[in-house]
Amino acid sequence: DTEVTQTPKHLVMGMTNKKSLKCEQHMGHRAMYWYKQKAKKPPELMFVYSYEKLSINESVPSRFSPECPNSSLLNLHLHALQPEDSALYLCASSHGRKGYTFGSGTRLTVV
Amino acid sequence: AQSVTQPDIHITVSEGASLELRCNYSYGATPYLFWYVQSPGQGLQLLLKYFSGDTLVQGIKGFEAEFKRSQSSFNLRKPSVHWSDAAEYFCAVGAQPSGGSYIPTFGRGTSLIVHP
Repeated sequence: DTEVTQTPKHLVMGMTNKKSLKCEQHMGHRAMYWYKQKAKKPPELMFVYSYEKLSINESVPSRFSPECPNSSLLNLHLHALQPEDSALYLCASSHGRKGYTFGSGTRLTVV
Repeated sequence: AQSVTQPDIHITVSEGASLELRCNYSYGATPYLFWYVQSPGQGLQLLLKYFSGDTLVQGIKGFEAEFKRSQSSFNLRKPSVHWSDAAEYFCAVGAQPSGGSYIPTFGRGTSLIVHP
């Protein structure tokens, strides 16, 4: 298995909703990442988990809450989002030089 | 801190023509360099990477890139472009933190338009 799987592919949520994005990989990668990407822009790093511990939080608002239940799973819990949070959310994983693999992303729309 | 410059926001080529996308980086040590491609609404796919060794790197889909330390460049090339190559291309430089995995810093991207 050489993929990073993200679900759902599309999500529409209201500003008072609570939802979660999920990311899964079975490549044995020990670092996992969340990125936010706006249209025509490069991905912006949000969080890094290394060996299931949060190692980097790029000053992301608390309405985004990451969770790494085990070495294969990464979640992003969403609560009280704003319309400007609408974006493509990408998950990625890596392990040393083995590669940096991105999922296909979740297209999030906040209404 | 590392940084990446992709000077071209858009590049337009005719199908069958050759392609070169420019990338310049800034990093104090030997960099890890990458090119990614992103089709609309999709994630990023790794085209090729340079860590060390041979400065001419072959990638997938017929792409290659050449690392030139003296010019701090890592330009992407393809001898004959296909219509399916139309996409956004990101150059990235990676630093290896103590945790063992690297964090890439992305350039702003170059949008490739292919005319029939």
